[in-house]
Amino acid sequence: GNSVTQMEGPVTLSEEAFLTINCTYTATGYPSLFWYVQYPGEGLQLLLKATKADDKGSNKGFEATYRKETTSFHLEKGSVQVSDSAVYFCALSDTGAQKLVFGQGTRLTINP
Amino acid sequence: DVKVTQSSRYLVKRTGEKVFLECVQDMDHENMFWYRQDPGLGLRLIYFSYDVKMKEKGDIPEGYSVSREKKERFSLILESASTNQTSMYLCASSFGDRAYEQYFGPGTRLTVT
Repeated sequence: GNSVTQMEGPVTLSEEAFLTINCTYTATGYPSLFWYVQYPGEGLQLLLKATKADDKGSNKGFEATYRKETTSFHLEKGSVQVSDSAVYFCALSDTGAQKLVFGQGTRLTINP
Repeated sequence: DVKVTQSSRYLVKRTGEKVFLECVQDMDHENMFWYRQDPGLGLRLIYFSYDVKMKEKGDIPEGYSVSREKKERFSLILESASTNQTSMYLCASSFGDRAYEQYFGPGTRLTVT
């Protein structure tokens, strides 16, 4: 079945550091890939998406590239801010499916 | 702005009680979802619905049921609450052809004692 694996957290960085959160997936078809973010006390919200191989999703300075050869969708940001502190979820939706499959989430804390 | 509201942020119930969690969305979305969120396990889908009076089991439906009598409202029911159902419960909704773009409520943290 389909599954998503994220790097274990928590991750703690200093402000302006470079961020990478690893995500790999297993899927039978041609999935679309997503990153969701959950800020403290709030529900999840879609951060970015990529629907086919080699697509790059980007939003709010975050980027992720759909790599079919390595089945990966790593999240990156060049310079993190304290306001980026949140839990980040990688997810996939298989072709024609109406459901999302989520990874276990990675808690990110940015210190000033 | 899309708004998904959940009836309670925190709830404490006793073992064996029947528990109702309510979710309402205001964007006329066709799809609605119930998840539970546990540390180290991410989000797991309990039930979802594509339309009024329609429901589909997710990955962990045991011990739960749902009701969707109106398009905007999706209820999760714990028929007889147990301690292993202590968790954060998240409701989400989306348009019919964009199920991947889900809008989430803030969650209900349920404790069963």
